[in-house]
Amino acid sequence: QVQLVQSGAEVKKPGASVKVSCKTFGYTFTGHYMHWVRQAPGQGLEWMGWINPNTGDTKYVENFQGRVTMTRDTSISTAYMELSRLTSDDTAVYFCARDPQRGKPIRMRTGVYWGQGTLVTVSS
Amino acid sequence: DIQMTQSPSSLSASVGDRVTITCRASQGISNYLAWLQQKPGKAPKSLIYGASSLQSGVPSKFNGSGSGTDFTLTISSLQPEDFATYYCQQYGGSPLTFGGGTKVEIK
Repeated sequence: QVQLVQSGAEVKKPGASVKVSCKTFGYTFTGHYMHWVRQAPGQGLEWMGWINPNTGDTKYVENFQGRVTMTRDTSISTAYMELSRLTSDDTAVYFCARDPQRGKPIRMRTGVYWGQGTLVTVSS
Repeated sequence: DIQMTQSPSSLSASVGDRVTITCRASQGISNYLAWLQQKPGKAPKSLIYGASSLQSGVPSKFNGSGSGTDFTLTISSLQPEDFATYYCQQYGGSPLTFGGGTKVEIK
């Protein structure tokens, strides 16, 4: 069955970078776009962008431009999200979520399959 | 960006109650709206997409409606497992945006 398994919690100092992984199982990794969503403690959901695992093409929310990099390793069916120049405002749980449409989605959206979340804490 | 305004931000209800949550988009999004449920410490769970299409395996007590800018999620006969936070998400425009959430608590 489809599963998205994320890497473990991280504690980082301000100014550092963090790289979160999302290893996938049970489907053709290159067949579905992958989204990244984050949630600050006690707050709502914030979409960060997507990566096309087939081509490596990405789209990022303007707020994260220049700080976020989404990559993938097709040999191990894993997507990555790296966020640099961390501040305390980046303390959040980061989720990967598979787009439900196979191939290039007509309308991008998160679907049924989400990772379990990775808590990133930024603290001096 | 398309702003999604959810109301109420929280509500208290009893087991067996019917509850309604509304979501308003700052511009028309046709029916490109999803509803998600999130319980503490868990990833969101997709309930409805296309404003009214139930995700496979989701019970029919969840009902979504609306089009354009105004949308509604109704939960009939609230059960203990339904107490959670609910989010709307629009995918009619980029970036994808979420409502602020509605926390459904036990009265």
